[in-house]
Amino acid sequence: GENVEQHPSTLSVQEGDSAVIKCTYSDSASNYFPWYKQELGKRPQLIIDIRSNVGEKKDQRIAVTLNKTAKHFSLHITETQPEDSAVYFCAAQIGNEKLTFGTGTRLTIIP
Amino acid sequence: EAGVVQSPRYKIIEKKQPVAFWCNPISGHNTLYWYLQNLGQGPELLIRYENEEAVDDSQLPKDRFSAERLKGVDSTLKIQPAELGDSAVYLCASSSDGPNTEAFFGQGTRLTVV
Repeated sequence: GENVEQHPSTLSVQEGDSAVIKCTYSDSASNYFPWYKQELGKRPQLIIDIRSNVGEKKDQRIAVTLNKTAKHFSLHITETQPEDSAVYFCAAQIGNEKLTFGTGTRLTIIP
Repeated sequence: EAGVVQSPRYKIIEKKQPVAFWCNPISGHNTLYWYLQNLGQGPELLIRYENEEAVDDSQLPKDRFSAERLKGVDSTLKIQPAELGDSAVYLCASSSDGPNTEAFFGQGTRLTVV
């Protein structure tokens, strides 16, 4: 089955700097790659997603890139703010099958 | 529009006791997932429903876990008997028909087995 690896497990950046989180997946049939943000004690919430027919997608300060050949995708957050502190999960999906999640990255924004 | 609703939010039980979790998905969402999330880990799928049919239960420990989704709407996840290692957050999520659609998560049920 699909295997998703996520790095780093923890990341601390100064407020205003950029943060990058990387994920790799194993099944080349995966065609949907969402990113979820989970604040402490709360539910995971979708922040951005990308489909395999697109190489990059941007939404204000958040962007995701996808390299299908290398089977990796990344989340980029620019001009980080304290409210960006949370755990971020990447995931991969084939069609409408299950979402396979990475192990998460705990992002801390240092004021 | 109401989101995915789960109850209870918290549950503390003694080991070997039974426990049940309930999920009400977003109206019109035919796909329902139960995920288990251990502390510091990503969610792991337990079971996926399409309407009332369990289409993926390969990771459900069937010796003690069971689930049902009668009438293809609400779902219940049961553990009997619970073990100490079952302590985790149980998340329910739902999505609409079709591939690559957003999965919306409930608040989860935090289970503590003592």
